[in-house]
Amino acid sequence: DAGITQSPRYKITETGRQVTLMCHQTWSHSYMFWYRQDLGHGLRLIYYSAAADITDKGEVPDGYVVSRSKTENFPLTLESATRSQTSVYFCASSEDWAGWYFGAGTRLSVL
Amino acid sequence: AQKITQTQPGMFVQEKEAVTLDCTYDTSDPSYGLFWYKQPSSGEMIFLIYQGSYDQQNATEGRYSLNFQKARKSANLVISASQLGDSAMYFCAMREVQYSGAGSYQLTFGKGTKLSVIP
Repeated sequence: DAGITQSPRYKITETGRQVTLMCHQTWSHSYMFWYRQDLGHGLRLIYYSAAADITDKGEVPDGYVVSRSKTENFPLTLESATRSQTSVYFCASSEDWAGWYFGAGTRLSVL
Repeated sequence: AQKITQTQPGMFVQEKEAVTLDCTYDTSDPSYGLFWYKQPSSGEMIFLIYQGSYDQQNATEGRYSLNFQKARKSANLVISASQLGDSAMYFCAMREVQYSGAGSYQLTFGKGTKLSVIP
């Protein structure tokens, strides 16, 4: 199916564990983004990528790692999960000025 | 300072009435874009409407229109003839060019307005 898909949709983990959230898009968009959504904060940018092998930090990057070896994939890794990383995570992709497309989100709970 | 301000945490509107959701923004970039997204209780982010900073006309998409007042830096969303299915969170967002780091367009969101449509 064309579009942007995130997996898993739901994840429960424990503090200290490593977790990877996957994001895959089929449009070959150059830009990809990871946001987290928390009550009272809207969506905040974690990391973004302008192309394969080009990534940069957003507003709240601490505790997260990203990679982009292929244009279509942009995984987000929590190296050692903390309770403060409990959130809903959205991946997005974009190619032009006016098109930003979001995945369905991953709801992560860190116990 | 916040780049996107949505001053209405929650709003109520009667079904079939029109409603305006407020959004003000702050940028020094002459070329920017403004978006509105809808997030229903199911959680997905649904794109509604886009306005470019150089667009002369206010954007419209069906029942959605964007009241763009550039001098006042406001980009209010107007929903005409509200429907029960319009009950959702609504986010205003701004795209700017990020000249530092990897160089990219970035989308910055406001905190959202929760709209409830009353039958």
